[in-house]
Amino acid sequence: QLQLQESGPGLVKPSETLSLTCTVSGGSVSSSNNYWAWIRQPPGKGLEWIGSFYHSGNTYYNPSLKSRVTISLDTSKNQFSLKLSSVTAADTAVFYCARGDTALVSSYYFDSWGQGTLVTVSS
Amino acid sequence: QSVLTQPPSVSGAPGQRVTISCTGSSSNIGAGFDVHWYQQLPGTAPKLLIYGNINRPSGIPDRFSGSKSGTSASLAIAGLQAEDEATYYCQSFDNSLSANWVFGGGTKLTVL
Repeated sequence: QLQLQESGPGLVKPSETLSLTCTVSGGSVSSSNNYWAWIRQPPGKGLEWIGSFYHSGNTYYNPSLKSRVTISLDTSKNQFSLKLSSVTAADTAVFYCARGDTALVSSYYFDSWGQGTLVTVSS
Repeated sequence: QSVLTQPPSVSGAPGQRVTISCTGSSSNIGAGFDVHWYQQLPGTAPKLLIYGNINRPSGIPDRFSGSKSGTSASLAIAGLQAEDEATYYCQSFDNSLSANWVFGGGTKLTVL
């Protein structure tokens, strides 16, 4: 049973860098059948894709966040991480890590999600 | 403004059938990319409900079904139950600027 668990500070000051880690159990971040992603949800609002990382090294970021986002894998710890720089109050959200499946051509979806972690940007 | 357009809310009585639409464009659904649906119960993470337009993951009841045509897709829920009350999101892939996973704005389903 795959499980994903987000961890990191729940409070970040404006202009600082938000850092989160997703620990994967019951599966491997090295799998070529999957990719790994971060998605966020501001309070009371919808879902916003942040970025996706393939084990091949190919990384894709939301164009609206690209200049501030870095996603990386740590295969030795079976984790992947998110860094979002220069945060403002608008970045306050529940952040989810998720696994994507590559089984179907032209089909890019997330088949497993972490429980989410609320990050508040405030001084 | 979401790339995929969903109605903000739908409602139905127990036992009824409801549908939720998801409208995209030629750079996402119309380009041949599949549509996927997620169910988000209050206070919980989204859960995959339908993938590849019509497929249900293991454990998802066959009351839930998906379809796709042209630049749009739909989620149908038959035999509505109280526990179906949730927010539903459609999701696809958009190649207009760069690789981009896109979501609809979400539809709140109320079971009357």
